[in-house]
This record gives sequence, C-alpha cells and structure tokens, in this order.
Amino acid sequence: EAEVAQSPRYKITEKSQAVAFWCDPISGHATLYWYRQILGQGPELLVQFQDESVVDDSQLPKDRFSAERLKGVDSTLKIQPAELGDSAMYLCASSLRTEAFFGQGTRLTVV
Amino acid sequence: GQQLNQSPQSMFIQEGEDVSMNCTSSSIFNTWLWYKQDPGEGPVLLIALYKAGELTSNGRLTAQFGITRKDSFLNISASIPSDVGIYFCAGHNDYKLSFGAGTTVTVRA
Repeated sequence: EAEVAQSPRYKITEKSQAVAFWCDPISGHATLYWYRQILGQGPELLVQFQDESVVDDSQLPKDRFSAERLKGVDSTLKIQPAELGDSAMYLCASSLRTEAFFGQGTRLTVV
Repeated sequence: GQQLNQSPQSMFIQEGEDVSMNCTSSSIFNTWLWYKQDPGEGPVLLIALYKAGELTSNGRLTAQFGITRKDSFLNISASIPSDVGIYFCAGHNDYKLSFGAGTTVTVRA
C-alpha cells in the first residue's frame, strides 16, 4: 500500500542549529502539505505545494523556516536556526484530491 | 485561519458504549474528513464525506456531513480498547485543509 515517507522519525537538536526534514509523498499526488503539531493540539499548516509551486505559506515563519519541492515530488523543510519553541511533531501529507494522507511524522526536540 | 471547534475535548467511555463527537465551524466546507491519531504517529484517515447530508459508515464508525456544510459528527458504536486515541475532524474548501483540536478518547475496560 502506498505511503507517505518521512525521515527522520526523531530528531534532537540544539537551539541555534539547523535541522532538515524530508518527505516523499504518495506517487502521483500533486498536493503536498507540511503541518506542525504541538502536543495536545491539532495539526497547523505551515506550507502547501501544488506540484513544485507554493500555494500557501502564510503561516510559515519565513525568517527561519524554508521549504522546497524542486521537482514536484519529494520535499524538504528546513529550520535555521532552531529555537526551543520549535519542538513539535512535523507532519507531511499528500493528496490527489481532497483526502490527505499523512506520514508518520518527525518528532523534533530542541534543547 | 479557519476555526474548527471540536467537542468534547476528551471523553472516558466504558468498553461497549457508543461514542459521539462533533465538529462545527463558521466556514462552509466542501469535504469533511475524520482522522484518528495514535501517540507518536501521524493521523490516519477514517472517513471522508463529500456532500451535504451524506451519511457514511466504515465498520463501527459512522459520520455525517451537516446540511449547512458547517458541521459534521462522528459516531463509534460498541467501543473497544483499540478505539483509544485522538480523533480529528478536518474541513476542506478551495484548496485549504484545516483541522480541529481533537477529541481524546480513553476506553475503560
């Protein structure tokens, strides 16, 4: 069964360091989402791609976060420099139409 | 962003009981989705609803798309221990997919 692949599963980094997450969506899914989920809350959209184009990055803290999907397939989300408040689960999802399918997420801890 | 209000926030239920939760919004949605998330994992899609008034079942789960297109509910019948988790509603309109804050379900054996 097709799945969204994310790596790493867990990441511990020191504040002010750079960190990157990778996502490989389900094959053929044009839409790719990056969500951040703080413990006890629902996922919040950081950035959404349609193929290689950014559709919505209004909630992305652009001073430290960047995202790219160069060939319209896999995607990378980067944080530089990481801050303590960035500790959260980072979820990638992809969709063909309206149903989004999620990866297992990357649990980031900033110390 | 679009606000989805999910209730209850949490519930303790007895094994075998039926569970009901709902989601409301001031925004109109074209699709309602319900997800379940286990600790440390990504959300898993349970049910998708595409039309106002639609009632859809998936095993012991039943969900409905409200007639106003601003709400949806999810029922779980005859709960079992593996129903423990956090249930999220999500609404899709235009290109945006927005999530509620979740309902945490704990089952007492």
